Amino acid sequence: EPEVTQTPSHQVTQMGQEVILRCVPISNHLYFYWYRQILGQKVEFLVSFYNNEISEKSEIFDDQFSVERPDGSNFTLKIRSTKLEDSAMYFCASSKGSSVETQYFGPGTRLLVL
Amino acid sequence: AQKVTQAQTEISVVEKEDVTLDCVYETRDTTYYLFWYKQPPSGELVFLIRRNSFDEQNEISGRYSWNFQKSTSSFNFTITASQVVDSAVYFCALSEKGYSSASKIIFGSGTRLSIRP
Repeated sequence: EPEVTQTPSHQVTQMGQEVILRCVPISNHLYFYWYRQILGQKVEFLVSFYNNEISEKSEIFDDQFSVERPDGSNFTLKIRSTKLEDSAMYFCASSKGSSVETQYFGPGTRLLVL
Repeated sequence: AQKVTQAQTEISVVEKEDVTLDCVYETRDTTYYLFWYKQPPSGELVFLIRRNSFDEQNEISGRYSWNFQKSTSSFNFTITASQVVDSAVYFCALSEKGYSSASKIIFGSGTRLSIRP
């Protein structure tokens, strides 16, 4: 069964460093998403992406964040200058169609900023 | 504004007991979808069910069942004859159409379920 994959599974970085989190969505899916879960808290929407552009972003997704689909398979989240409060689990998700199609989540990347 | 409330922060039951996880939602949309996701200790999010706002039929899948009541804006989840492997955090969620073509999911704060042997 096709699934969303994410790399790395864990990343430790120093405050102020740039990180890139990578995702490979399910191959025939057209909509892509990033969510964040701070330890012990709920999952929060960051951004949605369709047709090579951002569809919607939350107030969390400030200028430090960017997303890109550099080729036909990868979908990346870049944090330009990490802060301590960026420490969280980051989930990538994809869905086949628009609107309210089921989103399938990757296993997550646990980011720790020191 | 859209909102999902899971009032039960933690539940602990003995194996084989039935347990119900409550979920109450708020939305102004007439068309919306509700979800349940399971997050085991390993951390991934496992999709369990999706329900649209026009389908109030209850659903059963093995030991799992879901009760959707539009009149009370609730979408409760029952596990029958619970097992230790059911121990996880369970999230109820609501999809919002938003102003773009892509939807976003709004999650509740989760219920941590512990099944004791």
